[in-house]
Amino acid sequence: NAGVTQTPKFQVLKTGQSMTLQCAQDMNHNSMYWYRQDPGMGLRLIYYSASEGTTDKGEVPNGYNVSRLNKREFSLRLESAAPSQTSVYFCASSEWGTGGGSAKNIQYFGAGTRLSVL
Amino acid sequence: AQRVTQPEKLLSVFKGAPVELKCNYSYSGSPELFWYVQYSRQRLQLLLRHISRESIKGFTADLNKGETSFHLKKPFAQEEDSAMYYCALTPGGSEKLVFGKGMKLTVNP
Repeated sequence: NAGVTQTPKFQVLKTGQSMTLQCAQDMNHNSMYWYRQDPGMGLRLIYYSASEGTTDKGEVPNGYNVSRLNKREFSLRLESAAPSQTSVYFCASSEWGTGGGSAKNIQYFGAGTRLSVL
Repeated sequence: AQRVTQPEKLLSVFKGAPVELKCNYSYSGSPELFWYVQYSRQRLQLLLRHISRESIKGFTADLNKGETSFHLKKPFAQEEDSAMYYCALTPGGSEKLVFGKGMKLTVNP
């Protein structure tokens, strides 16, 4: 199993350009997430999807849109990139649920996308 | 609102020394607490979670509800423990994970 796969690994954009970050997981997880990681700020949740067909805002959603294309794929789109969006972006997935179970609620992360907006 | 605080950004110790990475949280309900680790050039991964009550790579963490803490401890640090460590919590009934700002541990030879 590949786990969580993100593309691209690196990207440089000019201010105002748009792009979509792709994420796919092969673990049949119901929940998927997008985070950004900035120095001194930790990981901050941008958007998440608890199940296919649903998406919800996280802590820092402004300037981003997401699409849960199917159970496997969850994409993040920057419509008009800004320098403040320069960051490392991580996708994650989990089998979320209550009632215990050692495999539940553990998030599995992709390798990240390093994005620079000039 | 839920919050995870890791009061120290950096910790540098020598091999064989004990380490304690502090984590405090604010949440009025019953959270689930985690420690995630990111080794150099590797993806973020789970180190341990409080409900498992197990030791991973010699690390342990005890949830102290009275002090709202979940400190990570290891009695004898190894060079391979050098990494970024993130404390995180899941509020009860939520799919979301709230991360602290992280702490960089460096274990010197």
